[in-house]
Amino acid sequence: LAKTTQPISMDSYEGQEVNITCSHNNIATNDYITWYQQFPSQGPRFIIQGYKTKVTNEVASLFIPADRKSSTLSLPRVSLSDTAVYYCLVGPLTGGGNKLTFGTGTQLKVEL
Amino acid sequence: GAVVSQHPSWVICKSGTSVKIECRSLDFQATTMFWYRQFPKQSLMLMATSNEGSKATYEQGVEKDKFLINHASLTLSTLTVTSAHPEDSSFYICSARDPRGTGDNEQFFGPGTRLTVL
Repeated sequence: LAKTTQPISMDSYEGQEVNITCSHNNIATNDYITWYQQFPSQGPRFIIQGYKTKVTNEVASLFIPADRKSSTLSLPRVSLSDTAVYYCLVGPLTGGGNKLTFGTGTQLKVEL
Repeated sequence: GAVVSQHPSWVICKSGTSVKIECRSLDFQATTMFWYRQFPKQSLMLMATSNEGSKATYEQGVEKDKFLINHASLTLSTLTVTSAHPEDSSFYICSARDPRGTGDNEQFFGPGTRLTVL
């Protein structure tokens, strides 16, 4: 699985847009990019996934440049409840048997 | 989305005892489940892949005789920490992918089990 690099931590204020960038220089052709969110003492929760260009859902957007060597998770108008660790994962879609490798993640702290 | 539960949510035990943690997929069948361990302020570390009806696949460095995994049905996997010691104290999390999914690589995680070994 491709190794990912993320900032260890980020700080923001309520109402701001937060962009967390993940580097994955060794991404393979059949790899997808997936982001998870984890609150303290809880299991991670899927946020968004993409292969190229831009993906948007009700909670976030994912921007992937043409070379796919990085990706940016964009959280619009964050609130205090968005304070969590965000993980970027890269790997193929191979069905139920595919395992996930978590990197260090980014601790996002949102303040008033 | 699909729901994965874990039981117990927390457990405290004495050193040398064994502890069993259950992971259940409540509304879907999972032929494969995964077990992770997470120490404070650290990331999740995959311990093993639990395969229904067959032996689990352990990651390098994880002792299969210490962390016994049983996946006897399509909705239940258990992790037994045998002869637990204080260094086994950690947050254990399981996950599974809903085969009915839309094609995304989305895995559903349980709420985790906090194990404290005295």
